[in-house]
Amino acid sequence: KQEVTQIPAALSVPEGENLVLNCSFTDSAIYNLQWFRQDPGKGLTSLLLIQSSQREQTSGRLNASLDKSSGRSTLYIAASQPGDSATYLCAVPSTPLVFGKGTRLSVIA
Amino acid sequence: NAGVTQTPKFRVLKTGQSMTLLCAQDMNHEYMYWYRQDPGMGLRLIHYSVGEGTTAKGEVPDGYNVSRLKKQNFLLGLESAAPSQTSVYFCASRRLGDNSPLHFGNGTRLTVT
Repeated sequence: KQEVTQIPAALSVPEGENLVLNCSFTDSAIYNLQWFRQDPGKGLTSLLLIQSSQREQTSGRLNASLDKSSGRSTLYIAASQPGDSATYLCAVPSTPLVFGKGTRLSVIA
Repeated sequence: NAGVTQTPKFRVLKTGQSMTLLCAQDMNHEYMYWYRQDPGMGLRLIHYSVGEGTTAKGEVPDGYNVSRLKKQNFLLGLESAAPSQTSVYFCASRRLGDNSPLHFGNGTRLTVT
């Protein structure tokens, strides 16, 4: 059974810092991995989807990487801003999606 | 462009009452899903549908029923609500294809007393 783990559960950083969020999965037979953002009281917004044939995917200040062989993905946020404060979740397809429990990020001005 | 719309946004039920949560998407997506999100448990799949007229059980289907009579709508029913069903419910949808992203609604916060 696919399991997805996100460490740390919470992270607090000063504004302007570059940071990395981690996602690990147990079954490497995946065809993509998605990163989502969730603001308090809101649904999830898809940030990036990396296909298994890709190593990286970029959107603005966000860069996600995928290493299937090691069962890991990272989400890199450059020059963090207070508006980046949210919970970030990763998910992998497994009839149909298995989610991590997320990392709650606080960017302090 | 509304995307995925859930109604109602909030609801309080008494134990034993019934209700239906409605999810509507205007993106012509084939796949639709119902999740519940609980503190410490993350997102868990209740039921899903791969097309009009078809539904399937997810990870936690007990106590819930669903229907997909129209492609754009996916209904989640609670026939006899229990306090354990207090949660935030999210609907999501995506188009056909392995690499199509999932789109979420803003959720329904349900409290069962």
